[in-house]
Amino acid sequence: EDQVTQSPEALRLQEGESSSLNCSYTVSGLRGLFWYRQDPGKGPEFLFTLYSAGEEKEKERLKATLTKKESFLHITAPKPEDSATYLCAVHANSGYSTLTFGKGTMLLVSP
Amino acid sequence: GAGVSQSPRYKVAKRGQDVALRCDPISGHVSLFWYQQALGQGPEFLTYFQNEAQLDKSGLPSDRFFAERPEGSVSTLKIQRTQQEDSAVYLCASSSPRGTETQYFGPGTRLLVL
Repeated sequence: EDQVTQSPEALRLQEGESSSLNCSYTVSGLRGLFWYRQDPGKGPEFLFTLYSAGEEKEKERLKATLTKKESFLHITAPKPEDSATYLCAVHANSGYSTLTFGKGTMLLVSP
Repeated sequence: GAGVSQSPRYKVAKRGQDVALRCDPISGHVSLFWYQQALGQGPEFLTYFQNEAQLDKSGLPSDRFFAERPEGSVSTLKIQRTQQEDSAVYLCASSSPRGTETQYFGPGTRLLVL
């Protein structure tokens, strides 16, 4: 059974204080790992897709990395508008294109 | 349209009532997914369509849940005889089989069963 575990569950940072969110996964053949951002009352917003170990992708203050067992979302010099829940999901080789999500990390950035 | 849309955005139902939730996917997207998201949890898969064919319904929690996509575009998720445990946000996502297969989500329908 595919499993995704995210840590920490919640993270509070001061503006400008860099940190990383972790996503550990167990999957029967990884087809892709996805990061989404979700604001309260809204649907998940796509951020990145990673396909193979060693791959990295960047967008503004965010950088996602991937190993064979986990992914990190690095947040550099965060701003209050980065406050949101960050969701990690995996797409396995088996079955159809369904995603298995973690519970998310709720990030709060204080000014 | 520019993105996935869902209606209604909010629905309050009395226990035992039937509800229907609508999803309009991104134009041209072949694949459509329904997820259920409980408070403080990640989305959980319910069912998957490729065009009008329902290829996977393994995540539907009971036979009270039914989904259809008769013309391969708009989809409806129907819940019969709603129960309090059905209260959640129901998310719809669509993707194209070409390229990255990234799923793009709608804003969700928040269902509260009293």
